[in-house]
Amino acid sequence: AQSVTQLDSQVPVFEEAPVELRCNYSSSVSVYLFWYVQYPNQGLQLLLKYLSGSTLVKGINGFEAEFNKSQTSFHLRKPSVHISDTAEYFCAVRRTGTASKLTFGTGTRLQVTL
Amino acid sequence: DGGITQSPKYLFRKEGQNVTLSCEQNLNHDAMYWYRQDPGQGLRLIYYSQIVNDFQKGDIAEGYSVSREKKESFPLTVTSAQKNPTAFYLCASSIDTGALGAGNTIYFGEGSWLTVV
Repeated sequence: AQSVTQLDSQVPVFEEAPVELRCNYSSSVSVYLFWYVQYPNQGLQLLLKYLSGSTLVKGINGFEAEFNKSQTSFHLRKPSVHISDTAEYFCAVRRTGTASKLTFGTGTRLQVTL
Repeated sequence: DGGITQSPKYLFRKEGQNVTLSCEQNLNHDAMYWYRQDPGQGLRLIYYSQIVNDFQKGDIAEGYSVSREKKESFPLTVTSAQKNPTAFYLCASSIDTGALGAGNTIYFGEGSWLTVV
């Protein structure tokens, strides 16, 4: 089975500051990794995903994440955040191959203030 | 526009009642999913279906039932056996076949709030 740990439940940050949201995973088999964003009272939207190849993945809205196999991490970063980035961010893993479920972390609330 | 439509957005249930949440997708996706979201717990999988007329239990299926009679529809019934149904419910879908398999993106609907009164 796979599991995901998001170490921070809330991350406050000032506008234009950099941010890193941490994600660690555990799995005995190879996995794909995903970051989703959820704005209040809405569904989830994919930010980026790592399938294979380059360990640095770029996504929408200026976000990027780096896959680190030795540390089993997939941290999300943005060099300069905006007020509109305030949302809940979820890291998720999925075993490679078909018919596998997406397992989510508990989420990190990013609060951007002026 | 293509997407996933969930209805209703808000639903109130009385004790002992069964209620059904609708989920329709026009993305021609084979796989569909139901997740439950509670504050501080992330999303937990209730049921999923890879093809029509077939579905599997997820991590928290007790007190829920589903059907998959059509490719585009995957309704979720919250039965009276579900003792704590108040939550935000999310329906999702994806293409699970093809070269990417599980690497394909799972798309989510806008969600439905269920409250017990």
